[in-house]
Amino acid sequence: GENVEQHPSTLSVQEGDSAVIKCTYSDSASNYFPWYKQELGKRPQLIIDIRSNVGEKKDQRIAVTLNKTAKHFSLHITETQPEDSAVYFCAANTDKLIFGTGTRLQVFP
Amino acid sequence: SQTIHQWPATLVQPVGSPLSLECTVEGTSNPNLYWYRQAAGRGLQLLFYSVGIGQISSEVPQNLSASRPQDRQFILSSKKLLLSDSGFYLCAWSIAGGYNEQFFGPGTRLTVL
Repeated sequence: GENVEQHPSTLSVQEGDSAVIKCTYSDSASNYFPWYKQELGKRPQLIIDIRSNVGEKKDQRIAVTLNKTAKHFSLHITETQPEDSAVYFCAANTDKLIFGTGTRLQVFP
Repeated sequence: SQTIHQWPATLVQPVGSPLSLECTVEGTSNPNLYWYRQAAGRGLQLLFYSVGIGQISSEVPQNLSASRPQDRQFILSSKKLLLSDSGFYLCAWSIAGGYNEQFFGPGTRLTVL
């Protein structure tokens, strides 16, 4: 079955800097890769997703890149703000979503 | 628009007691439904998923069970809770038949004492 690894587990950045979170997956049949943001005590919310027919997708300060050959995808957040502080999960989908273990991002003012 | 409900929001139960958590979805038909558990500070563990009424796939062997008595109702149960069952339980739904976004419910925080 699918296995998703996510790094780093924690990430601290200064406000205004960029943050990058990386994930790898094992099943080459996976073709949908969402990223979720979970604030403390809240439900995960989709922030961006990418399908396997696209190499990059951007939405304002957030971008995701996908390398199907290497089976890895990354989340890029530019100009980070304190409200970006949360836990971020990547996931890969064959017949069901398999989540990474999460990255706790802290943005210091 | 679609909405997903879960109740109760919080629950404190003694070890050995039964459990029933309910999830309902509005505004869509024949959704895929999922139960996840999230231990404190940890990731999302898929427990069960369902592609239709009465169809349940179990991902992790344990003392929990799931049922889908109606198209948009998903229930998580246990006959006897363990301390290790404590966690944040999330129900989610997605459109059936493809690779689509999952929408999460507000969650139930369960503490087993």
